[in-house]
Amino acid sequence: ETGVTQSPTHLIKTRGQQVTLRCSSQSGHNTVSWYQQALGQGPQFIFQYYREEENGRGNFPPRFSGLQFPNYSSELNVNALELDDSALYLCASSLRLAGVGELFFGEGSRLTVL
Amino acid sequence: DQQVKQNSPSLSVQEGRISILNCDYTNSMFDYFLWYKKYPAEGPTFLISISSIKDKNEDGRFTVFLNKSAKHLSLHIVPSQPGDSAVYFCAAPMNRDDKIIFGKGTRLHILP
Repeated sequence: ETGVTQSPTHLIKTRGQQVTLRCSSQSGHNTVSWYQQALGQGPQFIFQYYREEENGRGNFPPRFSGLQFPNYSSELNVNALELDDSALYLCASSLRLAGVGELFFGEGSRLTVL
Repeated sequence: DQQVKQNSPSLSVQEGRISILNCDYTNSMFDYFLWYKKYPAEGPTFLISISSIKDKNEDGRFTVFLNKSAKHLSLHIVPSQPGDSAVYFCAAPMNRDDKIIFGKGTRLHILP
């Protein structure tokens, strides 16, 4: 059973650029959530994808967008990067059932915006 | 507006002693709580959870206590071990699903 994998692990961008982060969910999991963890903060919910559709969104602007593919892998896209977008981006997968699921996180992609 | 609050950024505890990590919440609609543990360069991992119908849940060295009237929960680790040194996040699902609200975390240092 493979865990959640994310790529790239580290990247540096400049303000105004665009970035795409990738996530492969844990085998058998059909739901992917993305979180942003700024320095000294807890992870903040960005959005969740279930069956290739966005299923809930946190307080993030539209320049944060995502995709989920038929194999349940996912991408996070951020346009017009700002300095405050510098953070660790965490992908988490889970199996959507009737109740609350535990999240399985990847190691994260650390984005630095200069 | 922080709905889940961890007011202690860090905590140091002697090895073998009890570690107590505290968490407060403001949203009375929360009815399920989780604790996650995070090592550097790794993603958070689920540790233990508690439903609001209980006031205690135990799993080995880890026990979570819930005081609904005070909107407070705590994680007890007994005895503390060096491998427990990590950041601990208190969390709650927004709508009893997988969209989780996290606290800022408490960094636990276990001293030899």
